[in-house]
Amino acid sequence: EVQLVESGGGLVQPGGSLKLSCAASGFTFSGSAMHWVRQASGKGLEWVGHIRSKTTNFATAYAASVKGRFTISRDDSKNTAYLQMNSLKTEDTAVYYCTRIYAWGSSRHFDYWGQGTLVTVSS
Amino acid sequence: QTVVTQEPSFSVSPGGTVTLTCGLSSGSVSTSYYPSWYQQTPGQPPRTLIYNTNTRSSGVPDRFSGSILGNKAALTITGAQADDESDYYCALYMGSGIVVFGGGTKLTVL
Repeated sequence: EVQLVESGGGLVQPGGSLKLSCAASGFTFSGSAMHWVRQASGKGLEWVGHIRSKTTNFATAYAASVKGRFTISRDDSKNTAYLQMNSLKTEDTAVYYCTRIYAWGSSRHFDYWGQGTLVTVSS
Repeated sequence: QTVVTQEPSFSVSPGGTVTLTCGLSSGSVSTSYYPSWYQQTPGQPPRTLIYNTNTRSSGVPDRFSGSILGNKAALTITGAQADDESDYYCALYMGSGIVVFGGGTKLTVL
């Protein structure tokens, strides 16, 4: 059974930092690109960023809204992806989802999703 | 900045047919963007419905179908049921791992 379990969410003050984790099981994590997607309360889905696999040098990319503040990393020995969030703003308040992109052959879509973890940025 | 457009809301009668669309603020949506569609109910993570424009994800009923209509991707629900009342999001793959979601369509079945 495939599982993606996010953790690390919570309440943080503006300007603070938080590190989210995404523990994966049930699929070949090391060969998969992992993405983070967020959703503010009552709003739509927003792509945050991704990290590719070792075969593509762990390349990363980020949405303009988080570039320079957020960093995605991974530890394939632990089947875990991370989202380090610095200089947090109130507008970063959202549920953060970890998701795997199926990117083989002619497919590019998110096939597995975690349940999400809530990050609240407030003083 | 790329903006993916969706109807904010739509309404369909039970048993009816509805087509939701996914466009680009500039340009046309083609299969090259690998359009995918996700269904989300309150408090739940998104569920993958359609990928590669028209491929149903495992377990998705065949009343859901995807296509390209004109210059947009489209999600059609034929014979809508009450439990299809959800938010629907399209996503376009922009290359280099970058994905852009549409703003979502809130579908009401009544």
